[in-house]
Amino acid sequence: AQKITQTQPGMFVQEKEAVTLDCTYDTSDQSYGLFWYKQPSSGEMIFLIYQGSYDEQNATEGRYSLNFQKARKSANLVISASQLGDSAMYFCAMGLNRDDKIIFGKGTRLHILP
Amino acid sequence: SAVISQKPSRDICQRGTSLTIQCQVDSQVTMMFWYRQQPGQSLTLIATANQGSEATYESGFVIDKFPISRPNLTFSTLTVSNMSPEDSSIYLCSVDRASYYGYTFGSGTRLTVV
Repeated sequence: AQKITQTQPGMFVQEKEAVTLDCTYDTSDQSYGLFWYKQPSSGEMIFLIYQGSYDEQNATEGRYSLNFQKARKSANLVISASQLGDSAMYFCAMGLNRDDKIIFGKGTRLHILP
Repeated sequence: SAVISQKPSRDICQRGTSLTIQCQVDSQVTMMFWYRQQPGQSLTLIATANQGSEATYESGFVIDKFPISRPNLTFSTLTVSNMSPEDSSIYLCSVDRASYYGYTFGSGTRLTVV
């Protein structure tokens, strides 16, 4: 069965610093995708970045990058130059390409300090 | 990416009653997904709704409690039946457009059962 693990329940980071949010996953499938979402206090789910299991390059989207280490089954999110508006809950998620659904990790609450 | 209109945005309901949540998508999609997010928790998939067939429920969720309709490719409803305070959660619908663009979520329905 597939599983997503986020081991950091909460993090405090100084504004303008880079931050890494950890995510490990478990699946026996070879074809899958990994996602990161941001959930601010408003509750909406904001898609940040996607990495396919066959993608050779790490995904990047603006200040977000995904550090994909397939052998270690990790997909850490890196936020560069953090901003106060980055304070939110962050969820890592995975979907198998033979299936349509995605499952979520427990999340990491990120606090950016001024 | 798709735009999803979800309503109601919030409701306070009496125990023992039912609430129907609606999601309207601005384009045709094959699969729609319903999630529950209990207070302070991650998202848990309730079921996958495919047009023209019965929804597929995840372990721990049953049709009698969470009946789902999917009458066409742009619309779905989730009913929370015979509610108890334990059903107080945020309920979200989601669709998959293309993995690169992530799964799009509705704005959520914040349900409180008293």
